[in-house]
Amino acid sequence: QSALTQPRSVSGSPGQSVTISCTGTSSDVGGYNYVSWYQQHPGKAPKLMTYEVSKRPSGVPDRFSGSKSGNTASLTISGLQAEDEADYYCCSYVGSDTFAVVFGGGTKLTVL
Amino acid sequence: QVQLQESGPGLVKSSETLSLTCAVSDYSISSDYYWGWIRQPPGKGLEWIGSIYHSGSTYYNPSLKSRVTISVDTSKNQFSLKLSSVTAADRSVYYCARGGYRYGFDSWGQGTLVTVSS
Repeated sequence: QSALTQPRSVSGSPGQSVTISCTGTSSDVGGYNYVSWYQQHPGKAPKLMTYEVSKRPSGVPDRFSGSKSGNTASLTISGLQAEDEADYYCCSYVGSDTFAVVFGGGTKLTVL
Repeated sequence: QVQLQESGPGLVKSSETLSLTCAVSDYSISSDYYWGWIRQPPGKGLEWIGSIYHSGSTYYNPSLKSRVTISVDTSKNQFSLKLSSVTAADRSVYYCARGGYRYGFDSWGQGTLVTVSS
């Protein structure tokens, strides 16, 4: 399966909102509501931010919200804070009666 | 709070087999959840390698399936990864994680860098 397509980088100022897109196909993102997003700071393990498109694990601020339209999923971060600067990865189930998932290439978020 | 810790050689010779173990604490592998391996070449993105359920059911990335074996040892509360015939392209940070496609990978180990020597 091919990696999901994400913008290489996005940026925003503190307090603003940014949206990171994740484009797949009808065989992955578009076919199932099993998209998750991960935040990764340099040298650290990824952290789960949303799952099943729009659900948030306990402890994740509600500034982070996930959505999906057709073959494109999105992560919106509102009220940007300096600590949000990190790499973000989307991940989608690819179906076919397997457990297989595919990640996006990652997006570097810079807080200006 | 579940904790995961990878262990294994940080250097593997080309064409040999990479072996890593993930020790799980504060949660019984036998209780539930899938347990997986994900890798990340330095400076690059994440790649799912494969996952296992406590029953032993395994699922592998089709692109790596011919070289990957994941096993679980419930008595030691750990699971393991073997990747055969490694090449320089397998140089990555290898993470173990709990979860999978439905609820996401909600807990991760710190990761371990494996380098392949020629």
